[in-house]
Amino acid sequence: NAGVTQTPKFRILKIGQSMTLQCAQDMNHNYMYWYRQDPGMGLKLIYYSVGAGITDKGEVPNGYNVSRSTTEDFPLRLELAAPSQTSVYFCASQLRDRGRNTGELFFGEGSRLTVL
Amino acid sequence: QQQVKQSPQSLIVQKGGISIINCAYENTAFDYFPWYQQFPGKGPALLIAIRPDVSEKKEGRFTISFNKSAKQFSLHIMDSQPGDSATYFCAASLMNYGGSQGNLIFGKGTKLSVKP
Repeated sequence: NAGVTQTPKFRILKIGQSMTLQCAQDMNHNYMYWYRQDPGMGLKLIYYSVGAGITDKGEVPNGYNVSRSTTEDFPLRLELAAPSQTSVYFCASQLRDRGRNTGELFFGEGSRLTVL
Repeated sequence: QQQVKQSPQSLIVQKGGISIINCAYENTAFDYFPWYQQFPGKGPALLIAIRPDVSEKKEGRFTISFNKSAKQFSLHIMDSQPGDSATYFCAASLMNYGGSQGNLIFGKGTKLSVKP
């Protein structure tokens, strides 16, 4: 099992450009999440999904969009990149299912994005 | 009501010493309290977790102490080693709730450095 796979690991964008961060999991988890991590600020939830076709906003959704067409994939789209979106982005997945809920989040290794 | 406050922000400990990181929460309904460990360049990974029906959980050199009445929990790392140098996040959630109510609320993290 690969777990949670994120691509790319590093990317530099110019202001105003758009891009998609890819995330895939092979554990058949129903919940998936996107977080951003800034120094000293912890992990802030951008968007999450409870299953294919269902997504919802987290704490800091502005400037981002997501989709969940399959259980495995949860891409994060940045439209009109801004310097404030310079961050490390983490995708995570979790099995939350009555009777099988362990509570554990499995994280990818992160995607470091710089907007210049 | 949804915050988890973590302290200290950074911690330097000598090899062989005890590292202590504290967290406080507000929502008395929280019933799952995990700690995540993150090494530089990697995603966070579950280290140890506790439910509120016990006051302490130990796994090797890592212990969670839980004080329900004070709404506090802490991570103790005994005989700290340079390999323990990492960022540690506490978190809390309503484990068996769906949607946003069951999402983990993270503290802002503690950067631990263990000096040889």
